[in-house]
Amino acid sequence: GQQVMQIPQYQHVQEGEDFTTYCNSSTTLSNIQWYKQRPGGHPVFLIQLVKSGEVKKQKRLTFQFGEAKKNSSLHITATQTTDVGTYFCAPIQENFNKFYFGSGTKLNVKP
Amino acid sequence: EAQVTQNPRYLITVTGKKLTVTCSQNMNHEYMSWYRQDPGLGLRQIYYSMNVEVTDKGDVPEGYKVSRKEKRNFPLILESPSPNQTSLYFCASNGGNLYEQYFGPGTRLTVT
Repeated sequence: GQQVMQIPQYQHVQEGEDFTTYCNSSTTLSNIQWYKQRPGGHPVFLIQLVKSGEVKKQKRLTFQFGEAKKNSSLHITATQTTDVGTYFCAPIQENFNKFYFGSGTKLNVKP
Repeated sequence: EAQVTQNPRYLITVTGKKLTVTCSQNMNHEYMSWYRQDPGLGLRQIYYSMNVEVTDKGDVPEGYKVSRKEKRNFPLILESPSPNQTSLYFCASNGGNLYEQYFGPGTRLTVT
């Protein structure tokens, strides 16, 4: 199946600190999606990146897609307690038929 | 309201007793999936369906069956559940590979 590594597995930060999670693929991707899952909840779509080198922002969240379309990152500036949850990347290959997810990064924010 | 519904939300059963988890979406999506989520392993796709009467295996299909007789419904069937199928299950739908997936609320299954 799709080889994708997501790091770190866990991150504990103080409220106000920044946070970054990385998703690295062994193969070139067509596009990549990011999801957030709150504790006890279901995954919710955040964004999709399609173009090489693409950068998208959603308020304090910045998403990047690497130039080679093999890696991606999600950066949160000045975390808040509402950012708590697990963040998953979902890399999508050409000739897509199956969905794969990274193992997720669990973020805990201390107030 | 666009949504994916699953039932039941919680289920405790015994080894070998057949069960079905239902999934329904109201967005006219062609693509539907079932996932299981286990600690440290993320979300793993069990089965998917790209349209009515078209189903295919995901990464972890052993011990599961699905059917897609109608576009909106995609039930997950465990013919003979075993304790290693204790997990959190999510159904999801989307309109194609360039579109977001919508997830159901999840079904927590315990097999004793």
